[in-house]
Amino acid sequence: RKEVEQDPGPFNVPEGATVAFNCTYSNSASQSFFWYRQDCRKEPKLLMSVYSSGNEDGRFTAQLNRASQYISLLIRDSKLSDSATYLCVVNIEWSFGSGTKLNVKP
Amino acid sequence: DTGVSQNPRHKITKRGQNVTFRCDPISEHNRLYWYRQTLGQGPEFLTYFQNEAQLEKSRLLSDRFSAERPKGSFSTLEIQRTEQGDSAMYLCASSFFRDRGLEFFGPGTRLTVL
Repeated sequence: RKEVEQDPGPFNVPEGATVAFNCTYSNSASQSFFWYRQDCRKEPKLLMSVYSSGNEDGRFTAQLNRASQYISLLIRDSKLSDSATYLCVVNIEWSFGSGTKLNVKP
Repeated sequence: DTGVSQNPRHKITKRGQNVTFRCDPISEHNRLYWYRQTLGQGPEFLTYFQNEAQLEKSRLLSDRFSAERPKGSFSTLEIQRTEQGDSAMYLCASSFFRDRGLEFFGPGTRLTVL
């Protein structure tokens, strides 16, 4: 079983839609969680940390569910520029998920 | 300081050859990480340095791979006797605080083994 699992997608949504991704992790001792965004053939860029109480940054909301061992990312009012692959990271040995591809269409 | 830099950006080599990549982290960052990413996959952790000490090394890192950070600044990753399966993007990242996420990735070195 992989340490971190994500639905690869793609998620095809229209502009303005709300879209959510989940990421499950296997190590219950994990302490730090993050979401990254990666554009095609570019390096990953840190999008946001995920705190136990949940956190929001503009149109992006991240949540952690320790009991079920998953984190989520919600994007509201999707923009064309949100099209990318979204990777979750769990801190034990910095395990990245395989990423969820998002396509926002006009 | 313009961020994390990696050289070369692209490397094409024949199977069996040795290759070496370099990463220059942000100057005040004491932590340096190497990852490998293949198409359609997330980055896989290879190894981690704190200053010049190599503190973690993935089980994925075979004996053909070696990394150094001799003075706690730049790092090199060497692959000996390359195989076609080594073809990937090799990413370097640096940070100061481990628990704040890896904010600074380099642009990567794309290796193609023919």
